Amino acid sequence: GDSVTQMEGPVTLSEEAFLTINCTYTATGYPSLFWYVQYPGEGLQLLLKATKADDKGSNKGFEATYRKETTSFHLEKGSVQVSDSAVYFCALSANAGGTSYGKLTFGQGTILTVHP
Amino acid sequence: GAGVSQSPRYKVAKRGQDVALRCDPISGHVSLFWYQQALGQGPEFLTYFQNEAQLDKSGLPSDRFFAERPEGSVSTLKIQRTQQEDSAVYLCASSLQRGSSYEQYFGPGTRLTVT
Repeated sequence: GDSVTQMEGPVTLSEEAFLTINCTYTATGYPSLFWYVQYPGEGLQLLLKATKADDKGSNKGFEATYRKETTSFHLEKGSVQVSDSAVYFCALSANAGGTSYGKLTFGQGTILTVHP
Repeated sequence: GAGVSQSPRYKVAKRGQDVALRCDPISGHVSLFWYQQALGQGPEFLTYFQNEAQLDKSGLPSDRFFAERPEGSVSTLKIQRTQQEDSAVYLCASSLQRGSSYEQYFGPGTRLTVT
């Protein structure tokens, strides 16, 4: 079945450091790929997405590129801020022709802490 | 506008009790999902509704779990004879239409603790 694997956490960085959180997936066909974020005390919210190979999703300075050849969707940010401290989830949604309805398969999450 | 709301936010149940968790999706959203999130893990799919029709219940872990959305808006997830392994956060999400092109909006979750 479909699965998502994220790098082990937690990740601790200083402000303005470069961030990479690795994500790889296993799925049949060509899934849509997502990064969700959960800030402390808040619900899950969509950060960015990509729906086909070589697409780049971007939002709030974060980027991720859909790499079909390596089945990866790594999250990057050039300069993190304290306010980026949160839990980040990589997810996929299978696109199985007309029957797809958007069910998400999530990775286990990566806790990011950014210090001033 | 109002987002997805869930109630109660916290629920403590003794083993063997029945519980009912409520989800109020965003008005007009066709799709509604339930996910279960164990501590330190990512959410796992439980079930999916398109309007009032339950089209996929493949993620429900046992026949003690039951979900309904009778009028195509509010949904209830019911767990009968709760067990300790049912302790988790239960998340509800809704989206405007069916399909991965439509963003899922998540509620704050209900944290269930079974003692």
